[in-house]
Amino acid sequence: GQQVMQIPQYQHVQEGEDFTTYCNSSTTLSNIQWYKQRPGGHPVFLIQLVKSGEVKKQKRLTFQFGEAKKNSSLHITATQTTDVGTYFCAGPGSARQLTFGSGTQLTVLP
Amino acid sequence: DSGVTQTPKHLITATGQRVTLRCSPRSGDLSVYWYQQSLDQGLQFLIQYYNGEERAKGNILERFSAQQFPDLHSELNLSSLELGDSALYFCASSVARQSLQHTDTQYFGPGTRLTVL
Repeated sequence: GQQVMQIPQYQHVQEGEDFTTYCNSSTTLSNIQWYKQRPGGHPVFLIQLVKSGEVKKQKRLTFQFGEAKKNSSLHITATQTTDVGTYFCAGPGSARQLTFGSGTQLTVLP
Repeated sequence: DSGVTQTPKHLITATGQRVTLRCSPRSGDLSVYWYQQSLDQGLQFLIQYYNGEERAKGNILERFSAQQFPDLHSELNLSSLELGDSALYFCASSVARQSLQHTDTQYFGPGTRLTVL
């Protein structure tokens, strides 16, 4: 079945540094979604990418979908303590359910 | 607040017992999904229901079962509980208006933390 791998598993950064998490799928994806889970919270939808090579920005967050639609990345510029949490990518499964990556847990040191 | 409610918030029980977790989706959402999240683990998809019918099954154990009722709320039943079943159980809902390219956004509830002693 489809697998979605995400790296790194953990990332510690100093406040103000940049952060990137990468997502790779074993199969071509029709789209990819990104979610954020704050510590003690539940996953919250951030964005969905559909087109090959698509780049979308949300303030300091930049999301990219690879040309082959098998990989994606999330880049945060100048991290803040409010960025702390786990970032998950998710691709559609065979029955249109979501297959989540293992997540990248971001810690931002003040 | 996502609009998805889950009860109870916390559940502590013993091995061998049976529990029921409840989820009410957002108003208008027809699909309900259940996920298990163990400590420092990702989200493991368990099962999906759409308008009362099972639509997709993931890594759900035979000891676990779920259903979606006519009012669209859903229950996840966990039986013969083991220590390893201790986890956060999330319910999510979506409108289920998927196109060929887009997949529904899922709205997650606050979760039920299950502790098996």
